[in-house]
Amino acid sequence: AQSVTQPDIHITVSEGASLELRCNYSYGATPYLFWYVQSPGQGLQLLLKYFSGDTLVQGIKGFEAEFKRSQSSFNLRKPSVHWSDAAEYFCAVGANDYKLSFGAGTTVTVRA
Amino acid sequence: GAVVSQHPSRVICKSGTSVKIECRSLDFQATTMFWYRQFPKQSLMLMATSNEGSKATYEQGVEKDKFLINHASLTLSTLTVTSAHPEDSSFYICSAETGYQETQYFGPGTRLLVL
Repeated sequence: AQSVTQPDIHITVSEGASLELRCNYSYGATPYLFWYVQSPGQGLQLLLKYFSGDTLVQGIKGFEAEFKRSQSSFNLRKPSVHWSDAAEYFCAVGANDYKLSFGAGTTVTVRA
Repeated sequence: GAVVSQHPSRVICKSGTSVKIECRSLDFQATTMFWYRQFPKQSLMLMATSNEGSKATYEQGVEKDKFLINHASLTLSTLTVTSAHPEDSSFYICSAETGYQETQYFGPGTRLLVL
């Protein structure tokens, strides 16, 4: 079965600074990888996904993620954080059974 | 595109009553919908997978008689919490799968409070 680890529970970053959220997965084959963002009291919004092909994936809101098979990682990055990026971020991995396994999430706080 | 709605967004009920939550895919057909439960400051826990026209598949530890799921059409799935108790209070989120690259789109969630 697949699993996801997000090593960082909470990250604080200054507005305008860069952000990187870590995600490591465990799966025997090539996984489908996703990053979702959740604002307080809201559902999840898809930021980006990796299915195949180019390992650097561009998403919405200026986010990108890089799939590194050798490291079993799919880290999320943003060059310059805005105050509105404060939220909970979830990495998820899908297999061929349409189910997603989510990481525990990383809370991002943006300070002025 | 790929918008999923949930209704109600928030519900308060008395212990022992049943509550129905609707999940709709507004601009696409979803043969598969998922129901999750999320506790405060925690990740999403998959409760069940709902397929149109067939019985839902429940995850281990989830009581199927307590959490009734009906997926009567390609755009609507409902979750009924029967005889709700305070421990059922939680944030319930549904998602719908588009059939493309296993991508799920999530509803805004329903906050259930059982008194």
